[in-house]
Amino acid sequence: DAGITQSPRHKVTETGTPVTLRCHQTENHRYMYWYRQDPGHGLRLIHYSYGVKDTDKGEVSDGYSVSRSKTEDFLLTLESATSSQTSVYFCAAGTSGVNEQFFGPGTRLTVL
Amino acid sequence: GENVEQHPSTLSVQEGDSAVIKCTYSDSASNYFPWYKQELGKRPQLIIDIRSNVGEKKDQRIAVTLNKTAKHFSLHITETQPEDSAVYFCAASSSGAGSYQLTFGKGTKLSVIP
Repeated sequence: DAGITQSPRHKVTETGTPVTLRCHQTENHRYMYWYRQDPGHGLRLIHYSYGVKDTDKGEVSDGYSVSRSKTEDFLLTLESATSSQTSVYFCAAGTSGVNEQFFGPGTRLTVL
Repeated sequence: GENVEQHPSTLSVQEGDSAVIKCTYSDSASNYFPWYKQELGKRPQLIIDIRSNVGEKKDQRIAVTLNKTAKHFSLHITETQPEDSAVYFCAASSSGAGSYQLTFGKGTKLSVIP
């Protein structure tokens, strides 16, 4: 499993509430990524990080923010959750963007 | 940005037959093309990858081919087994802001019928 964990694994929340998902890795990977997975859309990149405090937007970044204060942790925050953010969120990490990305187990988020 | 198209979206094959999944990409600068397998309820896992300086790569029953001129690459699974049933994703790399990001296709659900 390449030492990548996500928490929580499941969460149900209400529209308008803030939500933070955590990704933790133990392999000292430089690059970390947040994806969302929805039926018919595959895996879409939300944000990624190429080092501590270095982050950039992906394809579907609206409504999401990220932070990376330590190599091992990458946080994804939904400032005010909406029903359209109901999804399965995967974190990934790797040594570079052109090598294998190792995925975490995923977080299933439901926004009511 | 990069755009990756993947076909077919679903594929059913008899056990023992071959399966082929095809992807096209738009950015001629892309140089890394991985394939991930995702079993139901599990995380995606890399099964094979290819770089732009190679035309074909094999690993037991799995092979990937790359045509840079046409900007397409394909996954070939021979002698399929029930445990090959899963969703397969292709991806292509593109550069940006000092790092690289993967753009994924929408996936192919492969069903191997015993």
